[in-house]
Amino acid sequence: DAGVIQSPRHEVTEMGQEVTLRCKPISGHNSLFWYRQTMMRGLELLIYFNNNVPIDDSGMPEDRFSAKMPNASFSTLKIQPSEPRDSAVYFCASSLEGAGTDTQYFGPGTRLTVL
Amino acid sequence: AQKVTQAQTEISVVEKEDVTLDCVYETRDTTYYLFWYKQPPSGELVFLIRRNSFDEQNEISGRYSWNFQKSTSSFNFTITASQVVDSAVYFCALSERNTDKLIFGTGTRLQVFP
Repeated sequence: DAGVIQSPRHEVTEMGQEVTLRCKPISGHNSLFWYRQTMMRGLELLIYFNNNVPIDDSGMPEDRFSAKMPNASFSTLKIQPSEPRDSAVYFCASSLEGAGTDTQYFGPGTRLTVL
Repeated sequence: AQKVTQAQTEISVVEKEDVTLDCVYETRDTTYYLFWYKQPPSGELVFLIRRNSFDEQNEISGRYSWNFQKSTSSFNFTITASQVVDSAVYFCALSERNTDKLIFGTGTRLQVFP
């Protein structure tokens, strides 16, 4: 069975450019999560969807970040405009049910470098 | 509030040694779940185990074993006869039924030398 799929795996861009990260959750999973991992802050939850609806976006750093889930099999995380401090590994994860009860399975991550 | 503490930042062992990674958690909820994830040098996060708060039985899976003790709020992970392929960062995590969030510890980097 396919796990969580993320693209691209690596992204290098210049400050001020728009960046779009993509995620396909495991088929049948109802919840999707976006995390960011940095050396300084570790793993941080950015936003959480349940049944395609954003439930908690309190971790989204600022208005430059936005996330959508137009259907059950696709989500995007967009950064516009990007800044060097956005450089990190961005993980997408999915679970059968909500975060409080079920196991989250992670994608391979997207390593973003903003120059 | 939820909190997960992994006090060991880095551990180095020689192959075939046993090693225990510590995890201490804080929660006010009576229903919660504990997890361990492995992050090898390639970067992905690999799920290892999930344990609910009502099941204190220790678990063994091959060379891996987990010791859950509610009395000390600990969920420790032991690797027996470590191998070089076990080298990775290991994360302990906690979720509560009421908060709907998964909180990670800061991770323990394990290096196994041949």
